[in-house]
Amino acid sequence: DGGITQSPKYLFRKEGQNVTLSCEQNLNHDAMYWYRQDPGQGLRLIYYSQIVNDFQKGDIAEGYSVSREKKESFPLTVTSAQKNPTAFYLCASRRTGGEQFFGPGTRLTVL
Amino acid sequence: SQQGEEDPQALSIQEGENATMNCSYKTSINNLQWYRQNSGRGLVHLILIRSNEREKHSGRLRVTLDTSKKSSSLLITASRAADTASYFCATNSGYSTLTFGKGTMLLVSP
Repeated sequence: DGGITQSPKYLFRKEGQNVTLSCEQNLNHDAMYWYRQDPGQGLRLIYYSQIVNDFQKGDIAEGYSVSREKKESFPLTVTSAQKNPTAFYLCASRRTGGEQFFGPGTRLTVL
Repeated sequence: SQQGEEDPQALSIQEGENATMNCSYKTSINNLQWYRQNSGRGLVHLILIRSNEREKHSGRLRVTLDTSKKSSSLLITASRAADTASYFCATNSGYSTLTFGKGTMLLVSP
């Protein structure tokens, strides 16, 4: 059963803590993406990776970090430097041709 | 920056009616894509239309693209309660990223 998985579904964090969101895909896609979605808003690109061991900043990379050590995995770390981290985070991968496939999302709440 | 702007922001219709959503964008594109998002879920790809195409169909969906006006429309015919969701357009300008609009919330009442 191919797809993208994100864990956990809900995550609570205290201010000042770093937290890592998981994203795994078994679609054999080269490109992967992280987006942030705030209520009533569209998606904003945080980071993306087109190939293993390479990634680029998106529009709102400040306060976030990523790694791409394996093709299947693209974890996102929300650091304590991110001033307003409470949001819905979506991971996606892209097949050749342009369309993106999305995971179910992780809702992060900072207490 | 968000290139696509959907219109209307919200749309409420009865089952069986057609729903039309519009998307305008600012710069030239390679393709434009439409996605659906059910509340609290990830996005699902609906349809991709390339810059050299004018119309595309998929089941009850019809997408048009007018590159001279930098606009696209998504028509859902004979809508169902299960079509209730937010709909987003996203543009690809030749790079590997997409730029999303803020979406149209569609409510289909039984």
